[in-house]
Amino acid sequence: EVQLLQSGGGLVQPGKSLSLSCRASGFTFSSYTLTWVRQAPGKGLEWISGISGSGVNTYYADSVEGRFTVSRDTLRDTMYLHMHSLRAEDTAIYYCARAGPGSSGWHNWFDPWGQGTLVTVSS
Amino acid sequence: EIVMTQSPATLSVSPGERATLSCRASQSLSTNLAWYQQKPGQAPRLLIFAASARATGIPARFSGTGSGTEFTLTISSLQSEDFAIYYCQQYNTWPPTWTFGQGTKVEMK
Repeated sequence: EVQLLQSGGGLVQPGKSLSLSCRASGFTFSSYTLTWVRQAPGKGLEWISGISGSGVNTYYADSVEGRFTVSRDTLRDTMYLHMHSLRAEDTAIYYCARAGPGSSGWHNWFDPWGQGTLVTVSS
Repeated sequence: EIVMTQSPATLSVSPGERATLSCRASQSLSTNLAWYQQKPGQAPRLLIFAASARATGIPARFSGTGSGTEFTLTISSLQSEDFAIYYCQQYNTWPPTWTFGQGTKVEMK
């Protein structure tokens, strides 16, 4: 079964850092583009970051560019989101999701999704 | 930047009735559009990709149509488990900036 299992998250103070993990199973990890999507409380879905299967290409929304870094570890079949200089407006449920395979993996829908993890930025 | 606009924001429907949800893109997507369903406390679930292809395990009462800038998700006969929020998403742009619509909430009338 294709699955994404998330960990990390929690309460963090403004200006601090936090990392999220997304461990994949059931598919060839290095073949797929992976992404991060967040959802602020009571709001819609916002794509924030993506990484190609090779890890060479990374993509960011303007809202997190320069503060968040996405990476992946093929040995551990795990993608990470390293979040720095966190702000109150970064409070959200963060989801990882799989996009497509190969060099056109970015040109793809998201399936499956991880279960989500809550990040709360507050003093 | 592509803007995705969904309408209506809320749709009140009785069980057994048809629900029609719209999604409009600010520029042409060809058929590079997906639909997702999200229930409270759950992650989104893929329903439709490539504008009209049903994802694995999705009932036939869900159908998607459209191309270019206008897309529609139809639920032919609403079941109790279909009350949820539905999002459209484009995956057409390079560099990738996957964009979601703001969502349509389907509620019981």
